[in-house]
Amino acid sequence: DVKVTQSSRYLVKRTGEKVFLECVQDMDHENMFWYRQDPGLGLRLIYFSYDVKMKEKGDIPEGYSVSREKKERFSLILESASTNQTSMYLCASTVRAIGTEAFFGQGTRLTVV
Amino acid sequence: QKEVEQNSGPLSVPEGAIASLNCTYSDRGSQSFFWYRQYSGKSPELIMFIYSNGDKEDGRFTAQLNKASQYVSLLIRDSQPSDSATYLCAASGFQKLVFGTGTRLLVSP
Repeated sequence: DVKVTQSSRYLVKRTGEKVFLECVQDMDHENMFWYRQDPGLGLRLIYFSYDVKMKEKGDIPEGYSVSREKKERFSLILESASTNQTSMYLCASTVRAIGTEAFFGQGTRLTVV
Repeated sequence: QKEVEQNSGPLSVPEGAIASLNCTYSDRGSQSFFWYRQYSGKSPELIMFIYSNGDKEDGRFTAQLNKASQYVSLLIRDSQPSDSATYLCAASGFQKLVFGTGTRLLVSP
């Protein structure tokens, strides 16, 4: 079974803290994605990566950065957490090909207080 | 303009009816289209994907793609209360994968 694992299911952080969300996949997928999901707004793409050390901005990259030092791991970094970054964060991975399924992690519910 | 647009709903149908979910996309470079189902508090799970014009059937589900109109739809036949969920449409090329905001479907017994 394909597994995408996010490091935490629930996380509470203080405003201004630097926050790391980790995602690991075990299927040698080239593409990895970070989304945030908010009520009424669907899944919004923050960043994605199609190869090691490669990254592309999604629709809402402000306030975030990413790191992909190894193929299986894609990290999302909140440089200085703010309350408007309270959200559900979902990581996904896919093979780089047409018509391939995205596999999702279980999600991280981040609350910034 | 959002890259993938869906009506947020809710779409309410009685049990046994056909539910029709629609989606439009703006990027003509998109090559594959997906329908995911998401239950509250859970991660999305894939129902179907389609990349050729026309219809694709899988059990009670039929996906339809019209690239000229940049339109994708999902039909659910014989809707069941267990089909009540949010349905997410997504579009992708070789790399980027973009989702719509989702349509909430409510199937009443």
